[in-house]
Amino acid sequence: NAGVTQTPKFRVLKTGQSMTLLCAQDMNHEYMYWYRQDPGMGLRLIHYSVGEGTTAKGEVPDGYNVSRLKKQNFLLGLESAAPSQTSVYFCASSYGWRRDGYTFGSGTRLTVV
Amino acid sequence: DQQVKQNSPSLSVQEGRISILNCDYTNSMFDYFLWYKKYPAEGPTFLISISSIKDKNEDGRFTVFLNKSAKHLSLHIVPSQPGDSAVYFCAATLITGANNLFFGTGTRLTVIP
Repeated sequence: NAGVTQTPKFRVLKTGQSMTLLCAQDMNHEYMYWYRQDPGMGLRLIHYSVGEGTTAKGEVPDGYNVSRLKKQNFLLGLESAAPSQTSVYFCASSYGWRRDGYTFGSGTRLTVV
Repeated sequence: DQQVKQNSPSLSVQEGRISILNCDYTNSMFDYFLWYKKYPAEGPTFLISISSIKDKNEDGRFTVFLNKSAKHLSLHIVPSQPGDSAVYFCAATLITGANNLFFGTGTRLTVIP
């Protein structure tokens, strides 16, 4: 099925470990986004990309890095995980500036202990 | 500072009745507003949107109302169905700047059969 696929769905990390979350979309979307969702807060934008080879910071970028080497993939990296990064992470993609065209993945639940 | 607020974390409604979900915002530069629906273990899915030049948009059982002077929007679901039980997020986006959606904290709607 067409859509946005996130890998892994669950992960537990120890403080200081690193990991990469993978987001893949097969809709040929130009724009891709990483959000995090925390209790009592809305989804907040971490980083986004407007095309292959480009990335930009969102609202809460600290502690994360991203790469968009291929149009269909958007990777989110945590170099040294901290308990404050315990969250549910959502990837999304869209055609350009179509604001109602965001397609979200099903999320990755990350726990940092 | 939360620019989009949903002050009711939860709402219960009888099947067949009207559900009204509310959302307030603080930034007068927001020009487009959206509602997303989220089921457990899934990503948010787009439901309905409204431009700031309109005060109402309707799509089947779903209607969104915008009151710009009060910086308030609401989502009406009539009639409510058990399948509507989900978390509803209000989101807003700016006239200029990054292609970013600012999300509210969500309201969990339960439709009682």
